[in-house]
Amino acid sequence: GAVVSQHPSRVICKSGTSVKIECRSLDFQATTMFWYRQFPKQSLMLMATSNEGSKATYEQGVEKDKFLINHASLTLSTLTVTSAHPEDSSFYICSASFLGVQYFGAGTRLSVL
Amino acid sequence: QQQVKQSPQSLIVQKGGISIINCAYENTAFDYFPWYQQFPGKGPALLIAIRPDVSEKKEGRFTISFNKSAKQFSLHIMDSQPGDSATYFCAATFNQAGTALIFGKGTTLSVSS
Repeated sequence: GAVVSQHPSRVICKSGTSVKIECRSLDFQATTMFWYRQFPKQSLMLMATSNEGSKATYEQGVEKDKFLINHASLTLSTLTVTSAHPEDSSFYICSASFLGVQYFGAGTRLSVL
Repeated sequence: QQQVKQSPQSLIVQKGGISIINCAYENTAFDYFPWYQQFPGKGPALLIAIRPDVSEKKEGRFTISFNKSAKQFSLHIMDSQPGDSATYFCAATFNQAGTALIFGKGTTLSVSS
């Protein structure tokens, strides 16, 4: 199957700093990638759809200026959490579609102190 | 109309037993229904998926039953094993590139040995 790599797997940062999370499709090209957020014992909540070479499409209620998404190439999308605060602490997961199937990264655990 | 309702929220099954998780959807335009398995701290992994032109799909111990008229589908895990203990998510989407998955709320399965 296709592989989606996400980095870092865990990050701890101070309140007010920015954190960048990378999502790479290792063996296929992904025109579209997705970013999800997951709280403990809850389902995945779609944050935004990332399209290569164009602006991301954000879901209602997701702050565009706080969660910056860049999809500069067919194999890389990045999510930057700007001026992170403790309420941004969560599990962030990316996914990419290949031949009609969505493959997920291993997720990034963000803890903001 | 975009919701996918999943039940039960949690399930305890004895080793060797059958685990059954149910999902229901409203939007008849959905045409791809995957099930994902997620272990703690990991991203979801595709388990099995079905399209509405078939009523059942089986892969090893995992079977999806699909009832188009009732707009319901279910996951059956035969001969459940302790290693199957995880959270299971059903999802639905339109089989088009760039379309995000709509997830159910998840079912936490515990298989006792």
